[in-house]
Amino acid sequence: NAGVIQTPRHKVTGKGQEATLWCEPISGHSAVFWYRQTIVQGLEFLTYFRNQAPIDDSGMPKERFSAQMPNQSHSTLKIQSTQPQDSAVYLCASSPRQGDSGNTLYFGEGSRLIVV
Amino acid sequence: GEKVEQHESTLSVREGDSAVINCTYTDTASSYFPWYKQEAGKGLHFVIDIRSNVDRKQSQRLIVLLDKKAKRFSLHITATQPEDSAIYFCAASYYGGSGNKLIFGTGTLLSVKP
Repeated sequence: NAGVIQTPRHKVTGKGQEATLWCEPISGHSAVFWYRQTIVQGLEFLTYFRNQAPIDDSGMPKERFSAQMPNQSHSTLKIQSTQPQDSAVYLCASSPRQGDSGNTLYFGEGSRLIVV
Repeated sequence: GEKVEQHESTLSVREGDSAVINCTYTDTASSYFPWYKQEAGKGLHFVIDIRSNVDRKQSQRLIVLLDKKAKRFSLHITATQPEDSAIYFCAASYYGGSGNKLIFGTGTLLSVKP
């Protein structure tokens, strides 16, 4: 079991450019979550999918951020017109099932995005 | 929505001593409280959890206590070892109407000195 795989591990992009981050969840897991980690804000929930369907995107900055899960083996987080304040580590996690009482999340190593 | 406050931002203990990290939450409906460990440059790794139907859980050197009345939970690491040094995050599940998500505390940097 390879765990959750995130690519790229590091990305430097110029202000105004687009950045796309990829996540491959653990095979068989039905839920995929995206979080953003910064020193100032800590771990912020962005969005999650259950069985590939978007369930809750309440943490996503509305205008420039979008997430998709086109198939059960990968999810993408796209940031358009990147700004310096988007610099963060973006963490993807998957969970084996989605129950009412919560389940363990398995995190990837993260994608560190730096916007210059 | 749910807010999770983690009270200790840093904690330093001597090897062999116990370490205690405390968290509080706001949503009385939260029922699942996991703890995660993050080492430098890595993602978060699950260490232990507790559900609201119990008030204590132990796994080897880790003990989690839950006080639902006070909306408080804590992680106790006994007989600490240098490899326990890491950032520890508490979390609480929040059912936002369309499914569960975890809301995290701000993290506690634990240093175990030999």
